[in-house]
Amino acid sequence: EAGVAQSPRYKIIEKRQSVAFWCNPISGHATLYWYQQILGQGPKLLIQFQNNGVVDDSQLPKDRFSAERLKGVDSTLKIQPAKLEDSAVYLCASSSGTTRYNEQFFGPGTRLTVL
Amino acid sequence: AQSVSQHNHHVILSEAASLELGCNYSYGGTVNLFWYVQYPGQHLQLLLKYFSGDPLVKGIKGFEAEFIKSKFSFNLRKPSVQWSDTAEYFCAVISTDSWGKLQFGAGTQVVVTP
Repeated sequence: EAGVAQSPRYKIIEKRQSVAFWCNPISGHATLYWYQQILGQGPKLLIQFQNNGVVDDSQLPKDRFSAERLKGVDSTLKIQPAKLEDSAVYLCASSSGTTRYNEQFFGPGTRLTVL
Repeated sequence: AQSVSQHNHHVILSEAASLELGCNYSYGGTVNLFWYVQYPGQHLQLLLKYFSGDPLVKGIKGFEAEFIKSKFSFNLRKPSVQWSDTAEYFCAVISTDSWGKLQFGAGTQVVVTP
């Protein structure tokens, strides 16, 4: 089966610009996650969707970050405006089922550099 | 707040050497524990997991991990590493009162020299 797809793979922008990332989860996976991984740190959950509803967005900086998952499939994560500290790899993951834990499958990530 | 600590940021060892990576978590309740691996240029993938039962769990590629509840630890081991084990290893925790929210450690970069 196809894995989690993300685009673009790399993005370089200047501070105060806007940027959007796209994720296509594994077909049939109800749960979708966005993580932020800053260099030298482990991934940190930004937002979790169950179908098209938000389960957890407690660590999403809502003044500048937004995410949506239309029709419970693809998802986009947007940053507007970007700051230098947003430089990181943004990982998308998906999992099946609605139990407390199902294995999460990760995409290749989008590496964002903010200058 | 729940946290995960990995003892080493970088480990360099020779092929056939034994590997042990430390992981400690701070959470008083019931947890599920994981080790993820990211090989160079590849996605994060699950290496092994512990939910309940035998505290010694075996994963892919000859890795195993031992859950010691009294020490809040979940250390990863491999008796004899290969060059292909060069990767970054992440310990992660889910508390039973959260839904799928993985808390990751900072990761350990392992380099195996031929």
